[in-house]
Amino acid sequence: GAGVSQSPSNKVTEKGKDVELRCDPISGHTALYWYRQSLGQGLEFLIYFQGNSAPDKSGLPSDRFSAERTGGSVSTLTIQRTQQEDSAVYLCASGGVTDTQYFGPGTRLTVL
Amino acid sequence: QQQVKQSPQSLIVQKGGISIINCAYENTAFDYFPWYQQFPGKGPALLIAIRPDVSEKKEGRFTISFNKSAKQFSLHIMDSQPGDSATYFCAASKGGKLIFGQGTELSVKP
Repeated sequence: GAGVSQSPSNKVTEKGKDVELRCDPISGHTALYWYRQSLGQGLEFLIYFQGNSAPDKSGLPSDRFSAERTGGSVSTLTIQRTQQEDSAVYLCASGGVTDTQYFGPGTRLTVL
Repeated sequence: QQQVKQSPQSLIVQKGGISIINCAYENTAFDYFPWYQQFPGKGPALLIAIRPDVSEKKEGRFTISFNKSAKQFSLHIMDSQPGDSATYFCAASKGGKLIFGQGTELSVKP
């Protein structure tokens, strides 16, 4: 079956612009996660959605970062007023009834 | 309390040898310990996972050893192959977000 998909695969933006990154989870998965992967910080948790519960936003690095999940499926991660330190690969993962998280290929964000 | 420490940072192994990567955690509430494999340009893929009520789990050439009292776990790759060359991440979680180690870049020489 289809895995987790993310779009765009690459995004280049200018400092100060807003960006939106999209994640399509595996059909039927109730859990959706966003992580960030950068050379200096490794893989960092950003935000977690589980069903209709309030999301766990404890990993968001600043109030410039936000995410939403519409209809319990597709999720969008928004970064406002991008900074150069936001450059990283943004990974989405989804999960079902077990603890296993299935990752998408990521979106590589470059802020010039 | 949230850290997971992984070593070594990089590892070179000859084809057919054993690759060993170690991780240590601090939070005793963690109850799920997966290992992920990542190739360049791809997302991490689950390799094998263990829970703390088991001391060892084996799947093919991959084995996790778990030491609850020492708060350590390790990945052993037997008969390492050039196709195993990738970055490996250990992780830990308690019902949700994964806390990852810093990663180990494995290179298997033919």
